[in-house]
Amino acid sequence: GEDVEQSLFLSVREGDSSVINCTYTDSSSTYLYWYKQEPGAGLQLLTYIFSNMDMKQDQRLTVLLNKKDKHLSLRIADTQTGDSAIYFCAVAGAGSYQLTFGKGTKLSVIP
Amino acid sequence: NAGVTQTPKFRVLKTGQSMTLLCAQDMNHEYMYWYRQDPGMGLRLIHYSVGEGTTAKGEVPDGYNVSRLKKQNFLLGLESAAPSQTSVYFCASSYNQGGPPNTEAFFGQGTRLTVV
Repeated sequence: GEDVEQSLFLSVREGDSSVINCTYTDSSSTYLYWYKQEPGAGLQLLTYIFSNMDMKQDQRLTVLLNKKDKHLSLRIADTQTGDSAIYFCAVAGAGSYQLTFGKGTKLSVIP
Repeated sequence: NAGVTQTPKFRVLKTGQSMTLLCAQDMNHEYMYWYRQDPGMGLRLIHYSVGEGTTAKGEVPDGYNVSRLKKQNFLLGLESAAPSQTSVYFCASSYNQGGPPNTEAFFGQGTRLTVV
């Protein structure tokens, strides 16, 4: 089955850019998502990209997809303390609508 | 529009006790999932269901059972709770077969379970 990997921790200074990386194994994956979990809360959809796209930008967020390397990244520009949270990558394969989540990357923003 | 609702939100159990966590969704989703989240371990899939009456094991199924008798409900049971099952449990649902081709998952707010 699908395997999704993320590093568990990332620390950045306020105002810098954050880049959270994710790799997956199923090359037929068609829907790729980023979720955000704030302290004490459930996961909420942050942004997503379809496999026929290489990049998607949404205000401070940029999602890059490298299908050849099966690598997904989330860039947060001008990172703020309010961006401190756990970020999850999730992938769904073609022909299967089941989502596989990575374990999550905890982003800590240093003032 | 309630989305995904988990009950209870908090629970303390003694070792050996049993309990059932309830997840209910009102989005006509086909897929439902139970995860546990532990510090340093991230989100781990316990069991999942791809439709009413079907269940399957995830990454960490031991010590848990599930049932999906109704499409909108997914129950997670602990028959004999152990301290290692102290965790935050999240339910999620996804995929409306009659809706747009979207696999986005919606999550409940979590159940914080402590086993003493």
